[in-house]
Amino acid sequence: QVQLVQSGAEVKKPGASVKISCKASGYIFTTHYMYWVRQAPGQGLEWVGMINPRSGDTSYGQKFQGRITMISDTSTSTVYMDLSSLRSEDTAVYFCARERGYPQRVLDFWGQGSLVTVSS
Amino acid sequence: EIVLTQSPGTVSLSPGERATLSCRASQFVSSSFLAWYQQKPGQTPRLLIYDASSRATGIPDRFSGSGSGTDFTLTISRLEPEDFAVYYCQQYGSSITFGQGTRLEIK
Repeated sequence: QVQLVQSGAEVKKPGASVKISCKASGYIFTTHYMYWVRQAPGQGLEWVGMINPRSGDTSYGQKFQGRITMISDTSTSTVYMDLSSLRSEDTAVYFCARERGYPQRVLDFWGQGSLVTVSS
Repeated sequence: EIVLTQSPGTVSLSPGERATLSCRASQFVSSSFLAWYQQKPGQTPRLLIYDASSRATGIPDRFSGSGSGTDFTLTISRLEPEDFAVYYCQQYGSSITFGQGTRLEIK
């Protein structure tokens, strides 16, 4: 069965960077885009970006441009999201989620979420 | 960027009643590329509907989606106790955006 297992919670100071991992199993890793979506406490869902695990091509949400990097490691079926210059507004649960398959850019399996807390 | 506005913000209904949730887009959503998710407290979102009206795998047929262009609707025909949750719409016709959510609570 499809599983996405994320790394654990992180506490970071403002200005620092955080790197979260998402390890996929149960399907062919390179055949589905992987997305990152975040959810601030008590708030809604926000698209962060996505990566083609096979090619490494990425697309990022405009508000994250310049401080986000997503990479894919096909040898371990793992994607990583690195967010830099953290501020308090970045405090959120970050989810990785698998795209169902183009053109249906919808998310059919989700990781358990990684809480990132930004606090001085 | 396409902005999705969901209404109402919160709706209170009883089990057995019909729920109608709205999602309005600020621009035309091409090819009806609109999805709906359900999220319960402490859980991850669950895909319900994609392409405006196609049910995802394992979703009961009491959930249905409709609409096109800029106006979309999620209908739950007869509410079950497990349906009380927050519902989000998502468009994927132009980049990706989510609505702010509708909370469906027990009356």
